[in-house]
Amino acid sequence: NAGVTQTPKFQVLKTGQSMTLQCAQDMNHNSMYWYRQDPGMGLRLIYYSASEGTTDKGEVPNGYNVSRLNKREFSLRLESAAPSQTSVYFCASSLDPGTSGRTDTQYFGPGTRLTVL
Amino acid sequence: LAKTTQPISMDSYEGQEVNITCSHNNIATNDYITWYQQFPSQGPRFIIQGYKTKVTNEVASLFIPADRKSSTLSLPRVSLSDTAVYYCLVGDHIVGNYQLIWGAGTKLIIKP
Repeated sequence: NAGVTQTPKFQVLKTGQSMTLQCAQDMNHNSMYWYRQDPGMGLRLIYYSASEGTTDKGEVPNGYNVSRLNKREFSLRLESAAPSQTSVYFCASSLDPGTSGRTDTQYFGPGTRLTVL
Repeated sequence: LAKTTQPISMDSYEGQEVNITCSHNNIATNDYITWYQQFPSQGPRFIIQGYKTKVTNEVASLFIPADRKSSTLSLPRVSLSDTAVYYCLVGDHIVGNYQLIWGAGTKLIIKP
């Protein structure tokens, strides 16, 4: 099993350009997540998909859109990139979102390092 | 609003036991406590999760006192490869309102 895979690993964009970050998991998980991590900081949730066919906003959704293409794939799109979106982006998945008060174990991909000039 | 507070950094030596304490004064009745480990240029990796008293697995132990306002991750006999950032999380998931607040973590450096 490859686990969670992300493409690309690195990307440089100019302000205003658009791009899509791809994420796929082969663990038959129901829930998937997109995070960003800025230097020296913890992760911040952008969007999540509790199950196939559903998506919800996280803590920092502005400037991003997502698509849960199928159970395996969850993509993140930047429509008009800004320098403030320079960050490392992590995709994660879990079997289920968890129950009230408890989050299910999340499995993370290797990340995409994005620089917006 | 951060749910947890943990030391920014810690040093220790190979072979020692390392304890990292996390404060979570506002923990809710249903909240579990979860710890993740992150190496440079990698995504976080789940270590352990618990609700009360003590939980142990093959890599760590988690101690949670009765009032649950803090918790301690214990790593037995650390090695250089345990150098990483450790995150303490108090997560809650209510259908339609998922929250998992990650703090800055504790940077653990193991010396030979």
